[in-house]
Amino acid sequence: AAGVIQSPRHLIKEKRETATLKCYPISRHDTVYWYQQGPGQDPQFLISFYEKMQSDKGSIPDRFSAQQFSDYHSELNMSSLELGDSALYFCASSLVLATDTQYFGPGTRLTVL
Amino acid sequence: DAKTTQPNSMESNEEEPVHLPCNHSTISGTDYIHWYRQLPSQGPEYVIHGLTSNVNNRMASLAIAEDRKSSTLILHRATLRDAAVYYCILRAFGNEKLTFGTGTRLTIIP
Repeated sequence: AAGVIQSPRHLIKEKRETATLKCYPISRHDTVYWYQQGPGQDPQFLISFYEKMQSDKGSIPDRFSAQQFSDYHSELNMSSLELGDSALYFCASSLVLATDTQYFGPGTRLTVL
Repeated sequence: DAKTTQPNSMESNEEEPVHLPCNHSTISGTDYIHWYRQLPSQGPEYVIHGLTSNVNNRMASLAIAEDRKSSTLILHRATLRDAAVYYCILRAFGNEKLTFGTGTRLTIIP
């Protein structure tokens, strides 16, 4: 079965530009999570969605927004990009909330110049 | 979220068992113990999880202390492909997010 798909895999942007990252969860998974991993850092939770509704929120900047669509794919929109936004962005999906296993995608590497 | 403590790094010889410890002295009764690992240049990967009893799956075993204040991830026969950062994470029932700590960087020596 196909895993979590993220696109694009690499993205280069200039400061103050906007970026949109996409995540396609595993088939039938209804929950999507976004994590950010800065250089040499551990992954940090940003936001999650369950059945198209935001279900939890972490240290996500106000410049970022996200949503989950009717086909369960999710998009992370990032505006007014800063140099510090350069990081790996991982999406994960799971079938149910709570203690279920999260399956991670390969990540999108965002570089802000 | 309750905190976990892991050694920063460990080394093991190929084809030998590896025991990765994790301390979580402030664990609460509803916290599940999850282990994920992150291979170089990849997203985190689920390894195993448990609540009170020891657990086994095709990847590893999880030994949980009787008082639940510590646990050990056991890789029965390490291969070079097991070189990764291993994260021990406490996840309360009903809490969705994974809170990654520093993790243990495991190096496998051929």
